[in-house]
Amino acid sequence: AQKITQTQPGMFVQEKEAVTLDCTYDTSDQSYGLFWYKQPSSGEMIFLIYQGSYDEQNATEGRYSLNFQKARKSANLVISASQLGDSAMYFCAMREGYSSASKIIFGSGTRLSIRP
Amino acid sequence: DGGITQSPKYLFRKEGQNVTLSCEQNLNHDAMYWYRQDPGQGLRLIYYSQIVNDFQKGDIAEGYSVSREKKESFPLTVTSAQKNPTAFYLCASQTPGAGSQPQHFGDGTRLSIL
Repeated sequence: AQKITQTQPGMFVQEKEAVTLDCTYDTSDQSYGLFWYKQPSSGEMIFLIYQGSYDEQNATEGRYSLNFQKARKSANLVISASQLGDSAMYFCAMREGYSSASKIIFGSGTRLSIRP
Repeated sequence: DGGITQSPKYLFRKEGQNVTLSCEQNLNHDAMYWYRQDPGQGLRLIYYSQIVNDFQKGDIAEGYSVSREKKESFPLTVTSAQKNPTAFYLCASQTPGAGSQPQHFGDGTRLSIL
């Protein structure tokens, strides 16, 4: 069965520093996709970045990048130059297969707090 | 602006009462989803629907029911059979196609027991 593990329940980081949020996954499928979402205290889920299992390059979106290590089954999110507005819950998620009809499963999340 | 609207933002349920959470989208998405989130936890799938008049149970469907009579709407009913309904409920939708498509979420409904 597919599984997502986020081992850091909470993290504190100084403003302007880079931060890495860990995510490991377990799947027997060769084709899968990995997502990161941000959830501010208001509750909405904001899509940040996507990495496909066959993508050779690590995904990047502005200050967000994904450190994808396929052999280790890890997909860590890196936030460069953190800002106070980055304080939120962050969820790693995985979809098996290459169809949008496949379900997405979510990890338990990491609460990131940025110190001024 | 296109998006997903969930209402109400806060909802209180009395013992033995059924309550319905609304989810409407104007993104023209075929697929819609309901998730439950407990404090400090990730999202768990309750029900999902890929097309109108069809829906499937997710991982925690017991005590919940849904309908999908219109493409834009996917209401969730929390029945009296759901003994621990206090949670944050999120509705999502998605365009069909490649697996790289993310789900888009509403702002959620917070349900509590009176």
